[in-house]
Amino acid sequence: QLQLVQSGAEVKKPGASVKVSCKASGYTFTSYAISWVRQAPGQGIEWMGWISAHNGNRNYAQKFEGRVTMTTDAATRTAYMELRSLRSDDTAVYYCARDPDYGALDVWGQGTTVSVSS
Amino acid sequence: DIVMTQSPLSLPVTPGEPASISCRSSQSLLHSNGYNYLDWYLQKPGQSPQLLIYLGSNRASGVPDRFSGSGSGTDFTLQISRVEAEDVGVFYCMHSLKSYTFGQGTKLEIK
Repeated sequence: QLQLVQSGAEVKKPGASVKVSCKASGYTFTSYAISWVRQAPGQGIEWMGWISAHNGNRNYAQKFEGRVTMTTDAATRTAYMELRSLRSDDTAVYYCARDPDYGALDVWGQGTTVSVSS
Repeated sequence: DIVMTQSPLSLPVTPGEPASISCRSSQSLLHSNGYNYLDWYLQKPGQSPQLLIYLGSNRASGVPDRFSGSGSGTDFTLQISRVEAEDVGVFYCMHSLKSYTFGQGTKLEIK
């Protein structure tokens, strides 16, 4: 079954880090990239970056450079997104999506809610 | 960074009537390979976004043919030939030329 299944909700304190996982099934994992986007409560969608599951190439949005790390594990068909130095405005739903390397994000995870609060 | 501007931001539509959403980019999305790197997505209430149109005018798998995308360069349009109740949600355009940016979203509601 073609799907991306993300890890569960997280609650973090400001300054902490969070690592969200995204497990793929139903397709050849290494033939695609994974994009990560987020959506703050009641807001639009913000693209965070992209990682190729084939060769590990990454392309991060400038806003997140230095604070985000995206990785993949081909053995477990899982992509990860780690965001560090969390602030309250990082509170959002984080989504992973399958990316054929030209946008066209055609398979999406269910979303992971990350809440940052002291 | 490329800025994506959608209009209108709110779109009340009577079922069965057509609807149109505009998306403009601050730079051309036409690649030298001839493709426009512009997608359209729909996020229904409480759901993850879903791909409707990719590379400007290609309908994604399973998307009803009442949805169509057109345009080139900096001006793009998503058209719905006959709006149905299930189309309620927020429509986003997104460019994918090197980095990606979403438009602000257009909320479609049924009159």
